[in-house]
Amino acid sequence: AQSVTQPDARVTVSEGASLQLRCKYSYSATPYLFWYVQYPRQGLQLLLKYYSGDPVVQGVNGFEAEFSKSNSSFHLRKASVHWSDSAVYFCAVSPFNTGNYKYVFGAGTRLKVIA
Amino acid sequence: DPKIIQKPKYLVAVTGSEKILICEQYLGHNAMYWYRQSAKKPLEFMFSYSYQKLMDNQTASSRFQPQSSKKNHLDLQITALKPDDSATYFCASSQDLGGPETLYFGSGTRLTVL
Repeated sequence: AQSVTQPDARVTVSEGASLQLRCKYSYSATPYLFWYVQYPRQGLQLLLKYYSGDPVVQGVNGFEAEFSKSNSSFHLRKASVHWSDSAVYFCAVSPFNTGNYKYVFGAGTRLKVIA
Repeated sequence: DPKIIQKPKYLVAVTGSEKILICEQYLGHNAMYWYRQSAKKPLEFMFSYSYQKLMDNQTASSRFQPQSSKKNHLDLQITALKPDDSATYFCASSQDLGGPETLYFGSGTRLTVL
């Protein structure tokens, strides 16, 4: 069965520091890959997504993610975090074939940015 | 302006009662979904609809019944409420079903069952 693992439930970083949030997936074929962010009392919003091609994809607000087929990973990065980046980040996969319609989300990583 | 409207934002219910959660999307999307988020299961897929047709149901209980009166509406009826049903219920939509489609989420209905 497909699954998504985000090994870090909580991450705390200082403002201005770099960030990496980890995501590993388990799926029989390379799925579509996504990162979403959830700010307090809001729904999820798309940060970026990967279909194919360049393994490094750029997203909104300076976020990027790198796909690694050999590691089955899709880690999210940001060079310099801002306090407003404090939120919960979800990695998600969607099957490549159109016969299966279910997104699978990871458990989420709660990011806290401190001064 | 929010493109996916969920009503109400907060809902308190007593055990055994019935409630309907409302969702309307104004994005012109063909697919709609319900997800549930709680402390036990952070984001859990419940249902998917495409052109008002149920495509996938991952809820184990028939107490949860989606209702689609129009293509841009997908309400969720919950009967015989239990305290374990306490969660935030998110409605989402996408242009079409599955694959590379981006999901767009409403801001959720937070349900508390006493």
